[in-house]
Amino acid sequence: GAGVSQSPRYKVAKRGQDVALRCDPISGHVSLFWYQQALGQGPEFLTYFQNEAQLDKSGLPSDRFFAERPEGSVSTLKIQRTQQEDSAVYLCASSPGTGNQPQHFGDGTRLSIL
Amino acid sequence: QKEVEQNSGPLSVPEGAIASLNCTYSDRGSQSFFWYRQYSGKSPELIMFIYSNGDKEDGRFTAQLNKASQYVSLLIRDSQPSDSATYLCAVNAIQGAQKLVFGQGTRLTINP
Repeated sequence: GAGVSQSPRYKVAKRGQDVALRCDPISGHVSLFWYQQALGQGPEFLTYFQNEAQLDKSGLPSDRFFAERPEGSVSTLKIQRTQQEDSAVYLCASSPGTGNQPQHFGDGTRLSIL
Repeated sequence: QKEVEQNSGPLSVPEGAIASLNCTYSDRGSQSFFWYRQYSGKSPELIMFIYSNGDKEDGRFTAQLNKASQYVSLLIRDSQPSDSATYLCAVNAIQGAQKLVFGQGTRLTINP
């Protein structure tokens, strides 16, 4: 079956522009997560959705970061007024239920801010 | 102290030998432990997960968990060049919480 799909794979933006990153989780997966991965580091948690409810957004670095999952499937991570330190790989993961189940990752979006 | 710590490596192992990857974590309430493999430029791929103390084997991979010592490890038997990658240890830090806390990863190289 299809895995987690993310688009675009690569995004280049000028500092100050807004960007939107899309995640299409595995069909039927209740839980959806966003992580940020800097070069040479492990992924860092940004936010978590259970269906359409955003239950944890403690990892979002600033109020320029916003995520939504309005119908409980596709999710969008939006970054407003981008800055160079936002350059990273943004990973989306999903899991079937709401317990501590394994998370399955998409290929990520590599964001470069010039 | 970082919540999840791994030796960043690089760890170099000859082909056919056993590769041993180690991870320690700080939160005694941790319930679930995961090992992901990440090739350069690719996404993390789940290799193993373990919830209970002891060993869990899957093919050439064995995960070992010792909650008393707050230690989890991954053994790779009969290492192959295709096993060369970065291995990420991840922990669900608090019961009921969903997020994974990752170590920085250990870069493993298998030498033919």
